[in-house]
Amino acid sequence: DQQVKQNSPSLSVQEGRISILNCDYTNSMFDYFLWYKKYPAEGPTFLISISSIKDKNEDGRFTVFLNKSAKHLSLHIVPSQPGDSAVYFCAATVSSNTGKLIFGQGTTLQVKP
Amino acid sequence: DTAVSQTPKYLVTQMGNDKSIKCEQNLGHDTMYWYKQDSKKFLKIMFSYNNKELIINETVPNRFSPKSPDKAHLNLHINSLELGDSAVYFCASSQGETASYNEQFFGPGTRLTVL
Repeated sequence: DQQVKQNSPSLSVQEGRISILNCDYTNSMFDYFLWYKKYPAEGPTFLISISSIKDKNEDGRFTVFLNKSAKHLSLHIVPSQPGDSAVYFCAATVSSNTGKLIFGQGTTLQVKP
Repeated sequence: DTAVSQTPKYLVTQMGNDKSIKCEQNLGHDTMYWYKQDSKKFLKIMFSYNNKELIINETVPNRFSPKSPDKAHLNLHINSLELGDSAVYFCASSQGETASYNEQFFGPGTRLTVL
């Protein structure tokens, strides 16, 4: 029973365009959400997060949107750059729980020059 | 100047063997984790330790035993390896326990293949 799902295994976009990565969750107790980015042969690195009290958080080219009623979040990258090509993992947690992140299975983003 | 390091990077072994994966962090963090990335690519937490004390212990076979000799190290020992143990294992660390306030830093992973 996967509580966090990324239904698109891959996404390909042109450099300069917008990349939109999606994530759905089922556990209504989740109140904090994160995106991690992973390059081959490296561990995931934290990218951006959002608390459930917000519906949007922006950091440079990266924006995360949260729709609690739909139990859906998305990561927007604008403009996309070739260096953004990586696997993106969505993760969720209940902030009162100690450190337990529930990850999705990742979406591989390819940004073409 | 690696923040979270794991050894070995690759591990190929026979069924039934016992093996260990080592993890070290030089970030001064209090909390360390082990995750398993299975064939379906989901990253799942296995264990976490805070100041050498076990705080998360997911439903993991008893053949897996974490050992934390000090707060900078969290090793994973696996007994009687099975084919299904083949996966990539990631170590991570964070300053505190709460995931929402403490970014987790991951090591590069150890790819374990059981033949």
